[in-house]
Amino acid sequence: ELKVEQNPLFLSMQEGKNYTIYCNYSTTSDRLYWYRQDPGKSLESLFVLLSNGAVKQEGRLMASLDTKARLSTLHITAAVHDLSATYFCAGPPQGGSEKLVFGKGTKLTVNP
Amino acid sequence: DAGVTQSPTHLIKTRGQQVTLRCSPKSGHDTVSWYQQALGQGPQFIFQYYEEEERQRGNFPDRFSGHQFPNYSSELNVNALLLGDSALYLCASSLFGGALLRLADTQYFGPGTRLTVL
Repeated sequence: ELKVEQNPLFLSMQEGKNYTIYCNYSTTSDRLYWYRQDPGKSLESLFVLLSNGAVKQEGRLMASLDTKARLSTLHITAAVHDLSATYFCAGPPQGGSEKLVFGKGTKLTVNP
Repeated sequence: DAGVTQSPTHLIKTRGQQVTLRCSPKSGHDTVSWYQQALGQGPQFIFQYYEEEERQRGNFPDRFSGHQFPNYSSELNVNALLLGDSALYLCASSLFGGALLRLADTQYFGPGTRLTVL
């Protein structure tokens, strides 16, 4: 069964700083998703990474996937307060499965 | 284009009662998945419905059951509620086979139903 581990689980950073959230997964996965969740809200899709070496960027967030290392990263550039939220990575337990296994999430707080 | 909708938004029940949650998928989607998210945790997969049948199931007891209707909407039923069933229940819709086709279409999540069991 796929296991997804994120670190750190809690991240407090200052506005303007850069940081990276890491997502390790235990078995081969052909896709990796990143979601954002605001308190009391649902999940908002950020990125879908479909292949080794995939890199996607949206605003101050950039996600990448290394299937050989079973690692995905979410890099935050010049953080702003609006990025404060919990970020989840998720992947399917086997190729073609549409079930998603989620990490525990990284709660990001960006302080002025 | 309506996204995924869920009802009700909040629900309070007592132990032993039964509850039904409802979900309408995003336009064009035919598959509905249900997830349970306990406070401070990541969502956990309950089951998935396609063509009115349960296609995949997570590690949840038989107290959790579901149904999908011809219009692709879905219900999640939980019997004999326990305190530990208190959680945010999320519905996600997708296009069946999208994963095999390596489509970039993600699972789109609804706003959720917050269930509190007292």
